[in-house]
Amino acid sequence: DVVMTQSPLSLPVALGQPASISCRSSQSLVYSDGNTYLKWFQQRPGQSPRRLIYKVSNRDSGVPDRFSGSGSGTDFTLKISRVEAEDVGVYYCMQGTHWPRTFGQGTKLEIK
Amino acid sequence: EVQLVQSGGGLVQPGGSLRLSCAASGFTFSDYSMNWVRQAPGKGLEWVSYISSASSTIYYADSVKGRFTISRDNAKNSLYLHMNSLRAEDTAVYYCAKGYESDYWGQGTLVTVSS
Repeated sequence: DVVMTQSPLSLPVALGQPASISCRSSQSLVYSDGNTYLKWFQQRPGQSPRRLIYKVSNRDSGVPDRFSGSGSGTDFTLKISRVEAEDVGVYYCMQGTHWPRTFGQGTKLEIK
Repeated sequence: EVQLVQSGGGLVQPGGSLRLSCAASGFTFSDYSMNWVRQAPGKGLEWVSYISSASSTIYYADSVKGRFTISRDNAKNSLYLHMNSLRAEDTAVYYCAKGYESDYWGQGTLVTVSS
């Protein structure tokens, strides 16, 4: 199985400051069709996960542009340019290239 | 508006069975594959199962293979997860998620396996 490793696992950030989460996969996530199926999800306390980013860098509708995704191959990053109070929660990366699908351990973002 | 409304969770004894349902609306259900994902209390997300739009392709996590069965009824816009031989470690909130890229999720339903 593809292992997804996130860091850090805990991320205290002051309001208005940037935040960055790393996600590394144990195998390349480039699929035979040329796409890289790496997604980022946000899970606010008590809520279902919400997809933020798909195929590495495509932001979902309604997701603020302070969220951005980047990376390639096995190394990916989610960045928040200026953290707001509503960003508190746990962030997960997930690979959709190989079976079984696998998630990172999650990164808990809190306000410092 | 896409909606995935889940039902069927509850308390079940070890070795028991349960069926989860996910009722879809706001999109053409028969055009999309679906997934089940679970989250044990205080833990991260774990992918459980996938079914293609016409049920021709199905995958399971090793942890549930042989015990869980995913199915769908496109005429009823519904997705199901039949869970047999339940174990304590199956205790989790179960989510259904739409599509190959899991762009929308249900509200989740809690399954508790305990005597």
